[in-house]
Amino acid sequence: GENVEQHPSTLSVQEGDSAVIKCTYSDSASNYFPWYKQELGKGPQLIIDIRSNVGEKKDQRIAVTLNKTAKHFSLHITETQPEDSAVYFCAASRNNQGGKLIFGQGTELSVKP
Amino acid sequence: DGGITQSPKYLFRKEGQNVTLSCEQNLNHDAMYWYRQDPGQGLRLIYYSQIVNDFQKGDIAEGYSVSREKKESFPLTVTSAQKNPTAFYLCASRGDRRNTGELFFGEGSRLTVL
Repeated sequence: GENVEQHPSTLSVQEGDSAVIKCTYSDSASNYFPWYKQELGKGPQLIIDIRSNVGEKKDQRIAVTLNKTAKHFSLHITETQPEDSAVYFCAASRNNQGGKLIFGQGTELSVKP
Repeated sequence: DGGITQSPKYLFRKEGQNVTLSCEQNLNHDAMYWYRQDPGQGLRLIYYSQIVNDFQKGDIAEGYSVSREKKESFPLTVTSAQKNPTAFYLCASRGDRRNTGELFFGEGSRLTVL
């Protein structure tokens, strides 16, 4: 079945450094790739997404890149701040599947002041 | 404010008891979803509904049941047949079932079986 693999499972960086989280997906028909941020005890919130007709998208300190040929996409956070500390999830979905998202396992990001 | 409301936030249950988790949305979304979250395993899909009076099994539906009698409501029942029900449960909704638009999540319900 469809699968999304996410790495690393934990990531620790110094404040101001960059953080990169990578995901690969198995279903070549996937065409929508969102990233969610989850703070402790709360529901995930969308931070950025990309569709398969675009290779890169940027929103201030956050960017996502997509390589359809290799079936992988990545989240890049620059100039990290302590408030970026959270669990990040990637996901993928395709048309005609009821809009359901398949999620990666999550990455716990810790930004040390 | 528009959003998704899950209740209760915390729930304790004895083994052998059924329990129902509530999910209500006022976003006028067609599609609703239930995910289960366990440490290190990401979010796994339990059930989803694309439209009122219709729902489909996700990847881990065994031991769970749902109903979708109203557009706004998608309750999840964790039955005694679910072998390991202790988890964090997340309800979500999306504007339509055509794979467009953001998936919005509720704040979650944490179920602990004693």
